[in-house]
Amino acid sequence: GQQVMQIPQYQHVQEGEDFTTYCNSSTTLSNIQWYKQRPGGHPVFLIQLVKSGEVKKQKRLTFQFGEAKKNSSLHITATQTTDVGTYFCAGPGAGSYQLTFGKGTKLSVIP
Amino acid sequence: DGGITQSPKYLFRKEGQNVTLSCEQNLNHDAMYWYRQDPGQGLRLIYYSQIVNDFQKGDIAEGYSVSREKKESFPLTVTSAQKNPTAFYLCASSPRLANTGELFFGEGSRLTVL
Repeated sequence: GQQVMQIPQYQHVQEGEDFTTYCNSSTTLSNIQWYKQRPGGHPVFLIQLVKSGEVKKQKRLTFQFGEAKKNSSLHITATQTTDVGTYFCAGPGAGSYQLTFGKGTKLSVIP
Repeated sequence: DGGITQSPKYLFRKEGQNVTLSCEQNLNHDAMYWYRQDPGQGLRLIYYSQIVNDFQKGDIAEGYSVSREKKESFPLTVTSAQKNPTAFYLCASSPRLANTGELFFGEGSRLTVL
């Protein structure tokens, strides 16, 4: 079945440093979604990318969808303590109604 | 306020007992889902439902059962057949199936089997 791999599993950064998490799928994705889960909380939708090579920005967050639609990345510029949490990517397989989540990247920000 | 309500937030159960987790949404969404989350793991799909009176197994349906008698309700029963039920359970909904749009999650139910 489809697998969605995310790296790194953990990332500790000093406040103000940049952060990137990478997502790779074993199959081509029709779209990819990103979610953030704060400690003790529930996942919250951040964004969906649909087009090959698409880049979207939300303030300090930049999301990319690969040309082959099998990988994606989330980059945070100048991290802040409010960025702490686990970031998940998720994607459906082609023709599949299910959404497969990666295991997430847990971000810690040292003030 | 529109949203998804899960209850209870915390639940303790003895081995061999069935337990039902409630999930109610007032977003008028067609699709609803149950995910299981274990420490350091992603979310794994247990069951999903596209419409009332219809539901499909996800990747880890064994030991679980669901019903969808009303559009706004999608309860999950964790049966005694589930070998390792201690986990964080998340209910979600979407206007249509997840492969085309975002999921809205409830706050989760944390089940501990003693």
